[in-house]
Amino acid sequence: AQRVTQPEKLLSVFKGAPVELKCNYSYSGSPELFWYVQYSRQRLQLLLRHISRESIKGFTADLNKGETSFHLKKPFAQEEDSAMYYCALSNGADFGNEKLTFGTGTRLTIIP
Amino acid sequence: ETGVTQSPTHLIKTRGQQVTLRCSSQSGHNTVSWYQQALGQGPQFIFQYYREEENGRGNFPPRFSGLQFPNYSSELNVNALELDDSALYLCASSFPGTSSYFGPGTRLTVL
Repeated sequence: AQRVTQPEKLLSVFKGAPVELKCNYSYSGSPELFWYVQYSRQRLQLLLRHISRESIKGFTADLNKGETSFHLKKPFAQEEDSAMYYCALSNGADFGNEKLTFGTGTRLTIIP
Repeated sequence: ETGVTQSPTHLIKTRGQQVTLRCSSQSGHNTVSWYQQALGQGPQFIFQYYREEENGRGNFPPRFSGLQFPNYSSELNVNALELDDSALYLCASSFPGTSSYFGPGTRLTVL
């Protein structure tokens, strides 16, 4: 069965410090990995996906198939990064028709 | 370009009742997926509709059913409501080659 694990429910980081949100997954096949973000009073939105290999708002994530991880990183945290972050996966063949499996989320708080 | 919309925003029902939730997909999107998000949990996939046909289903009982209309809007129906059905129900739309765009959700409370 496919599963996404986000071990930290809460994470507090000082402004300007590096951020790392952990995500581990289990999936028998070729998954596509995503990070979704939900800012206060806003809807869930895509932050980045592995296949795009983009850096969005300074965030990057590297897929490590050996460790089955997709950790989200940012070198210098900003106050506007405070939000709920969800790691998710889908079958890599379902591009555009993803059936997403989400982790339980990590609430990131940036301390000024 | 209009985003994904859902109605109603909030809903209160009692055990045993039936409920219908509605979703209008983003302009041009022909795929709609429904998710249930219980308090403190991540969204859980219920089912997906693509061009009016069910295109995958998660681990939910048959009393959760859906429809997609020719304009690609969608309904989620839940029969015989149980207390554990209380959750935020999210709709997401997409198109082959795009990622999923989520609506604001419908908060269902079952008493």
